[in-house]
Parts: sequence; structure tokens; C-alpha cells
Amino acid sequence: NAGVTQTPKFQVLKTGQSMTLQCAQDMNHEYMSWYRQDPGMGLRLIHYSVGAGITDQGEVPNGYNVSRSTTEDFPLRLLSAAPSQTSVYFCASSPSGPGANVLTFGAGSRLTVL
Amino acid sequence: GQQLNQSPQSMFIQEGEDVSMNCTSSSIFNTWLWYKQDPGEGPVLLIALYKAGELTSNGRLTAQFGITRKDSFLNISASIPSDVGIYFCAGPPAAGNKLTFGGGTRVLVKP
Repeated sequence: NAGVTQTPKFQVLKTGQSMTLQCAQDMNHEYMSWYRQDPGMGLRLIHYSVGAGITDQGEVPNGYNVSRSTTEDFPLRLLSAAPSQTSVYFCASSPSGPGANVLTFGAGSRLTVL
Repeated sequence: GQQLNQSPQSMFIQEGEDVSMNCTSSSIFNTWLWYKQDPGEGPVLLIALYKAGELTSNGRLTAQFGITRKDSFLNISASIPSDVGIYFCAGPPAAGNKLTFGGGTRVLVKP
């Protein structure tokens, strides 16, 4: 049982480039989310999804797009990377109902934008 | 913006010591969660609290859900080197359902 798998683990981009961070979970969780982690800021919610076909914005959505075509996958897209998006990104998932707030996190994707 | 304040922001531990950290909020929370993040990994759930006044243990870790529902505490007894990491509190505010995280308490080993 792999849990939440994120790829790539490391990525370096130039300003203006685009890329997609992949996230997949094999626990049949309905809820999936993306967070970014910056020093002293904790984890801030970027986008989340309560099920396939449904997405919504979190606290810091600007510059990021998401889609949820299947229960398993929740990719995060950066259309035009900026240095302010240099961060560590975490994907997380949880079931609905009891335990809905108990997130399982991936190992993270460290992104550097030059 | 961020609603949870964790203190201290960082602390040094010596093996065998008991350590405490806390988390306070400006709004009421229905659930308090404590996560630990090891270097290079994602956060892992340590303890979940669901009721005001609840005291729950997980091995050497003990967490409490404050009576006012605006704070929570985490204690680590007889600390060991592998307790090093970042500890996050988190919870969904009563008025919403998105999980909010505190800024974290970084636990380091005394040189």
C-alpha cells in the first residue's frame, strides 16, 4: 500500500516555465489537497478537492491550477513559474466522513524557481 | 491568514528531558491534530483530539484539547534523539472545514 505518492521529488525551473507536480493516492480517499511549506509559515493550503470533478481554492491559490478527473490523481500545475513559488509542496488525502480531517501526506516535492 | 500560533518556534532538547509546546487560536476549533515532520518527509499524524478537555497519549506523547477549545498542548516525556523534527498543530475552525496548520515548533538536539 503506497499511500500518497508525489513526483518529482526535486525540480528546478526557470521563471516563466510551466510544470505539473503529480500526486496519486491508492487509499480511495475522496478528499485531496495541496499545501506549500515555507520557513516559519507552516503549511498553507493551495487547492483542495472533495471528490472527482470538484475542486476549490485554499488560502494561497494564485499561480496554481488543479483538476481532479479521477479519485486517485490530483495534479498541481504551475502555468508560469515565479521565484515566489520556490517552496516544498505536499499533497495530502483523507477519507470523507469520520476521519475526514486526518490527512495522509506525501513525501513532498521541492521546487526551486530561478 | 494563519489562525494558529504555536510556541515556542524552536526548542533544544537533551535526552531524557520532558518538553512541552502549545498551540493557540483566535477562533474555536472542533478538532485538534498534532503532526510530526521528520527531515525530508511529509508530516505524520501523532494524536487527534475531538472533545474539549480530552487528554490523549501515544507512547511518550500526551496531548490535551483545551477547555476553551482555543488551545491545545503537546508534551513529550523522556525525550530521545529521534524526537527531533517539526511538530505542527492543526485543526478545522468551527466555522469552516478546511484544515489550518500552525507555524510549527522545531525540536533540535542540544549540542
